[in-house]
Amino acid sequence: QVQLQESGPRLVQPAGTLSLTCTISGGSVSRNSWWSWVRQTSGKGLEWIGEISQSGRTEYNPSLRRRVTISIDKSKNQFFLRLISVTAADTAVYYCARVSTDYYYTMDVWGQGTTVTVSS
Amino acid sequence: QSALTQPPSASGSPGQSVTISCTGTSSDIGDYNYVSWYQQHPGKAPKFIIYEVNKRPSGVPNRFSGSKSGNTASLTVSGLQAEDEAEYFCSSYAGFNNLLFGGGTKLTVL
Repeated sequence: QVQLQESGPRLVQPAGTLSLTCTISGGSVSRNSWWSWVRQTSGKGLEWIGEISQSGRTEYNPSLRRRVTISIDKSKNQFFLRLISVTAADTAVYYCARVSTDYYYTMDVWGQGTTVTVSS
Repeated sequence: QSALTQPPSASGSPGQSVTISCTGTSSDIGDYNYVSWYQQHPGKAPKFIIYEVNKRPSGVPNRFSGSKSGNTASLTVSGLQAEDEAEYFCSSYAGFNNLLFGGGTKLTVL
């Protein structure tokens, strides 16, 4: 059974860079899936950040595209999120998730989420 | 693009039915049959319960059903049970490899 686990700094300075890692266990990042990042802010619901394929192709939320990079390391079975020039508005619970290959545009496996706070 | 619009709260008594709406535009819900619904209990990750508007994955009770009319999708929970108390989110493909989520609806079982 595939499991995902987010990791990374919980506190980021304003104007700094948010960097998170998603580690996949019980399965391979090289599987023919897309791997995504979603965040949840209190009061604003869920927000799709972007996704990456096992071949490294990426798609991003247009509202975040200028600041986001998602990458993948097949040798480590991990994928990554990098968000630059962060502000308090980027404070959120960040989830990594697998995009289902059976159900279009649906995330069928989620990590437990990690809270990132942007503050000095 | 703006997020999909959901009512912030909904409620019902055990055994009753409740419907949660999710309103988008002709560029997302109205144009694609790729609406999903997620259930999230406090402190937990979302879990998908409906995909492609009205399909249920295995293991999800048939008390949960989805539908769509025009630019609005709906999730109906029939025969409410205490464990259905959670927050529910909709999502829709919005074209150009973009995905939108709703703001979430907190369902209370009275």
